[in-house]
Amino acid sequence: DQQVKQNSPSLSVQEGRISILNCDYTNSMFDYFLWYKKYPAEGPTFLISISSIKDKNEDGRFTVFLNKSAKHLSLHIVPSQPGDSAVYFCAASEAGGGADGLTFGKGTHLIIQP
Amino acid sequence: KAGVTQTPRYLIKTRGQQVTLSCSPISGHRSVSWYQQTPGQGLQFLFEYFSETQRNKGNFPGRFSGRQFSNSRSEMNVSTLELGDSALYLCASSASWPGNTIYFGEGSWLTVV
Repeated sequence: DQQVKQNSPSLSVQEGRISILNCDYTNSMFDYFLWYKKYPAEGPTFLISISSIKDKNEDGRFTVFLNKSAKHLSLHIVPSQPGDSAVYFCAASEAGGGADGLTFGKGTHLIIQP
Repeated sequence: KAGVTQTPRYLIKTRGQQVTLSCSPISGHRSVSWYQQTPGQGLQFLFEYFSETQRNKGNFPGRFSGRQFSNSRSEMNVSTLELGDSALYLCASSASWPGNTIYFGEGSWLTVV
């Protein structure tokens, strides 16, 4: 049973537009959420995180939104750049940290078109 | 500062053999965790170590084991390799345990033939 779901395996966005990547979770004990970006043949790179006490966190072009009632989070990238083309993983952990490690979604492949 | 370093980067093993993978965490980080990435299952948690003690373990058979040394470096071992063990093995470190944010190395690609 997948506790973290990324329902879009791929997403294509034009350069300069907004990219919105979505993630849903089922475990109500999750209280810390992260996004990682992964290029082929490299390890995932930490992008941005959000605690359940907040509903928004911004870092430059990246903003993560958390809707606890809907158990949904999203990553917005504005404006999208060619270097943003990668696989994006959503991850979640339970209260107090990664007691069972981070639980990852299966990823969304973002393609930025020129 | 240097990131998480994993060795070897690529290796090929035969079914039934065993393999040991090594990980050096970011300087000052004391918690190390291991993940397996496969195309079908995505990223799955193997185990986590802090202060030379295994703190958590994922849902993997006993053939998968690990350890952490006093300098926080970690190794994982897979015995009696099976074809299905072919995967990217990722090590990650965090400053403390439990650590909310973990930082990954580039991974060790294991192919079992």
